Amino acid sequence: KQEVTQIPAALSVPEGENLVLNCSFTDSAIYNLQWFRQDPGKGLTSLLLIQSSQREQTSGRLNASLDKSSGRSTLYIAASQPGDSATYLCASPAGQGGKLIFGQGTELSVKP
Amino acid sequence: DAGVTQSPTHLIKTRGQQVTLRCSPISGHKSVSWYQQVLGQGPQFIFQYYEKEERGRGNFPDRFSARQFPNYSSELNVNALLLGDSALYLCASSLSYEQYFGPGTRLTVT
Repeated sequence: KQEVTQIPAALSVPEGENLVLNCSFTDSAIYNLQWFRQDPGKGLTSLLLIQSSQREQTSGRLNASLDKSSGRSTLYIAASQPGDSATYLCASPAGQGGKLIFGQGTELSVKP
Repeated sequence: DAGVTQSPTHLIKTRGQQVTLRCSPISGHKSVSWYQQVLGQGPQFIFQYYEKEERGRGNFPDRFSARQFPNYSSELNVNALLLGDSALYLCASSLSYEQYFGPGTRLTVT
């Protein structure tokens, strides 16, 4: 049974800092891993999806990596900005189906 | 192209009432999934539908039901509402692996 964990629950950094968000999963037979951003009270915005055959994906200042052997994924945000403040969630499908298993999220605050 | 749309945006209901939430997927997407997100937690899977057939069900009571229509839109119904059903209900559509979420419906049960 896949379980997904995100630590820490909250993170505060000064503007301009590079940062890493962590995501751990228990089942290494992972099909893919998806990172989302959620602003308060809003829906989820898909940031990056990494297939099991890939090691990383990049989009602008974001870079996500996947290490199946260690059960970890990281989301790297370069040169953080106050607009990056949001909750970041990672999720992995339970098997081949559409059911996503989510972590609890990391609430990021970037201070000007 | 329009993203996933959900209606209504907000809803206030009384305990014991019934509610219907609606979702329209991205054009061309045949799979729709529903999630419940309570404050401070990650979304929890409720249902997945593909081509009008239920493909998955999460650990939710029978008070929760859903269906998908020929145009791939979907409805989530919750009967006999409890205070604990207060949450953000999210709909997601997908064509393949990546799931795209709507803005959600905020349900408050008083």
